[in-house]
Amino acid sequence: EDKVVQSPLSLVVHEGDTVTLNCSYEVTNFRSLLWYKQEKKAPTFLFMLTSSGIEKKSGRLSSILDKKELFSILNITATQTGDSAIYLCAVNSGGSNYKLTFGKGTLLTVNP
Amino acid sequence: GAVVSQHPSRVICKSGTSVKIECRSLDFQATTMFWYRQFPKQSLMLMATSNEGSKATYEQGVEKDKFLINHASLTLSTLTVTSAHPEDSSFYICSVRGAYEQYFGPGTRLTVT
Repeated sequence: EDKVVQSPLSLVVHEGDTVTLNCSYEVTNFRSLLWYKQEKKAPTFLFMLTSSGIEKKSGRLSSILDKKELFSILNITATQTGDSAIYLCAVNSGGSNYKLTFGKGTLLTVNP
Repeated sequence: GAVVSQHPSRVICKSGTSVKIECRSLDFQATTMFWYRQFPKQSLMLMATSNEGSKATYEQGVEKDKFLINHASLTLSTLTVTSAHPEDSSFYICSVRGAYEQYFGPGTRLTVT
């Protein structure tokens, strides 16, 4: 059974701090790893990673994948209160329907 | 990315009744849609994969006779929770398969009293 494990499950920081969120996985047929941000409603897409060692960056957020060690990290620098959300990691383990297996998420709270 | 809507956003129903949730892809032809359930402080759990014009594929442990899925067009999939019970109360989210990712709807909060 495919498994995605995120850590920590929750994190409280102050504005301006840098955070690192972790995602490890065990899947039978890895195709890609995706990061989503979920505030009150639907998850919004952040990054998709398919290759090891190539950093994806968007503003203060960045992510990298290690396919040998089977994990990914999501970094957020200079955090703001608007970064408070649940960050979900999901793995696409192939198949014709592009099914995603999600981790439990990391609840990030950024205090002013 | 695709714009996905869900209706209703919130519904309260009595135990034993059925509830239908609609998922629409507003600007994208969705041959494949997914239905998820999310309990408080839990992650998204895939319930079923819905392909346009064919029967849905359900995940292990999800009762297909209880959660009826219809995907009759490229823009609409529906999930009907039949004979709802309080334990079915949850946040139901649909998504549309894109080229590389999934685009999520805003979710439907179902409360069964």
